[in-house]
Amino acid sequence: GAVVSQHPSRVICKSGTSVKIECRSLDFQATTMFWYRQFPKKSLMLMATSNEGSKATYEQGVEKDKFLINHASLTLSTLTVTSAHPEDSSFYICSASPLIATEAFFGQGTRLTVV
Amino acid sequence: AQSVTQPDIHITVSEGASLELRCNYSYGATPYLFWYVQSPGQGLQLLLKYFSGDTLVQGIKGFEAEFKRSQSSFNLRKPSVHWSDAAEYFCAVAPISGGSYIPTFGRGTSLIVHP
Repeated sequence: GAVVSQHPSRVICKSGTSVKIECRSLDFQATTMFWYRQFPKKSLMLMATSNEGSKATYEQGVEKDKFLINHASLTLSTLTVTSAHPEDSSFYICSASPLIATEAFFGQGTRLTVV
Repeated sequence: AQSVTQPDIHITVSEGASLELRCNYSYGATPYLFWYVQSPGQGLQLLLKYFSGDTLVQGIKGFEAEFKRSQSSFNLRKPSVHWSDAAEYFCAVAPISGGSYIPTFGRGTSLIVHP
């Protein structure tokens, strides 16, 4: 199956700083990628849809100025958590699908801890 | 709007025992149905999926699931659980339409396996 790689797998940052998470499709092109947030013992919540070459589409309640998404190429989307606070600590997962796909492929996830 | 219900937050079984994880969905028509597994600190791995045809679907790691239209259910089963099956299991639905797959996830069921 298709491979989606996410980096870093874990990051600890100080409150007030920004953190960038990368999501790459390794063996296919993805015009659309998705970013999820997962709280402990909770399901995945779709945060935004990342569109190559255009603005991301954010789900209701997600602050677009805090969670900046850039989809600069057909294989890379980045999520930047700006001015991070402890409440932003969470597990972030990206996913993507090849053009003719019957499932979504997920990255390994990034554990963000803001101290 | 589509929704997925996994009524069991935790399931505890003994190694070697059989397993059934429940999943019910709400959708206007029959959607695509998925089961994913997530090990601690990891992304999601697809176990199996149902699109159409035979309502009993075989997946990886010895898992199977049965789609029952009349009950709007897609329960996951395994005849003999191994200790390595301990993980979080997510049922998901996605609309049958062209384009990218954006699954809606259930809240997950945590499987605990006793030796």
